[in-house]
Amino acid sequence: DAGVIQSPRHEVTEMGQEVTLRCKPISGHDYLFWYRQTMMRGLELLIYFNNNVPIDDSGMPEDRFSAKMPNASFSTLKIQPSEPRDSAVYFCASSFSGTLETQYFGPGTRLLVL
Amino acid sequence: ELKVEQNPLFLSMQEGKNYTIYCNYSTTSDRLYWYRQDPGKSLESLFVLLSNGAVKQEGRLMASLDTKARLSTLHITAAVHDLSATYFCAVDERGNEKLTFGTGTRLTIIP
Repeated sequence: DAGVIQSPRHEVTEMGQEVTLRCKPISGHDYLFWYRQTMMRGLELLIYFNNNVPIDDSGMPEDRFSAKMPNASFSTLKIQPSEPRDSAVYFCASSFSGTLETQYFGPGTRLLVL
Repeated sequence: ELKVEQNPLFLSMQEGKNYTIYCNYSTTSDRLYWYRQDPGKSLESLFVLLSNGAVKQEGRLMASLDTKARLSTLHITAAVHDLSATYFCAVDERGNEKLTFGTGTRLTIIP
């Protein structure tokens, strides 16, 4: 298996622009998680899905952030409009609940908002 | 609200020495995970601890879990430079797939 795939790997954009981050989980995994990592706040869970349904979005910072999972093999995290404080590394992770395994993390998207 | 604390936050140690990283958490849980992150890279799973008294070992690293004390330890034996990384523990509250991560321990092994 290729593991969790994220795109783009790097994104540089200007304040006010829309940013879309993409994630393909490991095939067969029924949970998908979006995290944000910064030096100041560490690793934060933004939202997670089970069987494509959002379960907990309490970590989404504000209405500018939205996430969707239209099918079992694809999810997006959208920021509109983006702000410099959104600059961070965004990780997607997936897991399979049936075996109590760990979460497997993607390579991350490094976002810089100017 | 679940809180997960690691100490120390930073650790420099000489090659060949032993040391322990501590992970304390604030609520009941019997599922704890350890991850490693190299600079600029993603998180890599090291250990999954699923019950009180669980002990896992891989090479020079050994992790244990005491659910009654709400404490997990990651012990490093005879450290080598390749172990330099940031180590995170993460706790899954009972009945909840959501992980809460600790602050991380940045480990530097000095030759």
